[in-house]
Amino acid sequence: NAGVTQTPKFRVLKTGQSMTLLCAQDMNHEYMYWYRQDPGMGLRLIHYSVGEGTTAKGEVPDGYNVSRLKKQNFLLGLESAAPSQTSVYFCASSLVSGRPIEQFFGPGTRLTVL
Amino acid sequence: SQKIEQNSEALNIQEGKTATLTCNYTNYSPAYLQWYRQDPGRGPVFLLLIRENEKEKRKERLKVTFDTTLKQSLFHITASQPADSATYLCAPGCLDSNYQLIWGAGTKLIIKP
Repeated sequence: NAGVTQTPKFRVLKTGQSMTLLCAQDMNHEYMYWYRQDPGMGLRLIHYSVGEGTTAKGEVPDGYNVSRLKKQNFLLGLESAAPSQTSVYFCASSLVSGRPIEQFFGPGTRLTVL
Repeated sequence: SQKIEQNSEALNIQEGKTATLTCNYTNYSPAYLQWYRQDPGRGPVFLLLIRENEKEKRKERLKVTFDTTLKQSLFHITASQPADSATYLCAPGCLDSNYQLIWGAGTKLIIKP
């Protein structure tokens, strides 16, 4: 099993450009999450999904959109990138089991917006 | 607002000693708390989960405590090794929030040989 994979690993954008980050998991997990991690701050939830075809806003959703057309994929889009979106982005997934359970993380995407 | 606090300064420990990391939370009543390890350039990796009705949880050289009165969790690594050097994140969660977690910024642990 590859676990959770993310593409790309690195990306540099100019202000106003758009891009899509792809997250894929092969563990048949129901829940998927997008976080951003900035220096000195905890992981902040951008959007999450509790199943195929569903998405919900997290703590910091502005400027981002997501889609979960297939259970194994969760896409994060930036329509018009801003320097404030420079960050490391992590995707995670977890299995729904009716009880709290661990999240499995991808390796991250380091995004720089100039 | 909910706040999770972990020591922002790096913790330097001599190899073989016990490392103790602290996680404090305010304006929050989590039902459980998770600890993760994060190495540079990598995603967090789950270590332990402790529920509010559990005072202590152990896994090999790791021990976690959860004091709901003090609003604090302690994470211990006994017989520490240089390979334990990493950033450790705590993440409390509530049962009624789709299992969403609120994350601390992490404490960097350095184990010196």
